[in-house]
Amino acid sequence: DQQVKQNSPSLSVQEGRISILNCDYTNSMFDYFLWYKKYPAEGPTFLISISSIKDKNEDGRFTVFLNKSAKHLSLHIVPSQPGDSAVYFCAASENNDMRFGAGTRLTVKP
Amino acid sequence: DADVTQTPRNRITKTGKRIMLECSQTKGHDRMYWYRQDPGLGLRLIYYSFDVKDINKGEISDGYSVSRQAQAKFSLSLESAIPNQTALYFCATSDLVHNTGELFFGEGSRLTVL
Repeated sequence: DQQVKQNSPSLSVQEGRISILNCDYTNSMFDYFLWYKKYPAEGPTFLISISSIKDKNEDGRFTVFLNKSAKHLSLHIVPSQPGDSAVYFCAASENNDMRFGAGTRLTVKP
Repeated sequence: DADVTQTPRNRITKTGKRIMLECSQTKGHDRMYWYRQDPGLGLRLIYYSFDVKDINKGEISDGYSVSRQAQAKFSLSLESAIPNQTALYFCATSDLVHNTGELFFGEGSRLTVL
């Protein structure tokens, strides 16, 4: 039973445009949400997070939006760059029990 | 040098063999985790440990065991490997003090069971 779902296995965008990666969850007790980025042959690295008491968190080109009523969060990357090409994992945590989505492979074309 | 180091990075073994994956960290974190990654399933938690005397099962602990030998070391064992344990395994750590939930991952250990 996957509590965190990323329904788009892949996304392709043009350099300079916006990338929007989506994530849905089922457990209303999750209190912290994170995005990780993974390059081939490397471990995932933390990108950005948001607490359940907020609806937006911004860090440079990256913004995460949380809609608790819809149990949905999204990651916006503006502007997208070729170096952003990677697999992005959404994660949600309840009392340090962290669950991950299946990942979305983002390709940013020059 | 990586803060979270996993050995071996790649391993091919046969069904029924015992395998150990090792993880060591220099971040000074109390919490350590083992995850496996499978295509279409993302990362799933196998076991986690909040200190040397603490071991907890995760989502998919069957067929695995762990040992927390020291604060910096956490090893994962497959007592009798089977083909559906072929996966990419990640060790991770987190910081109890700050408790942001952020995990710091090793580079992964790719295991193939024939």
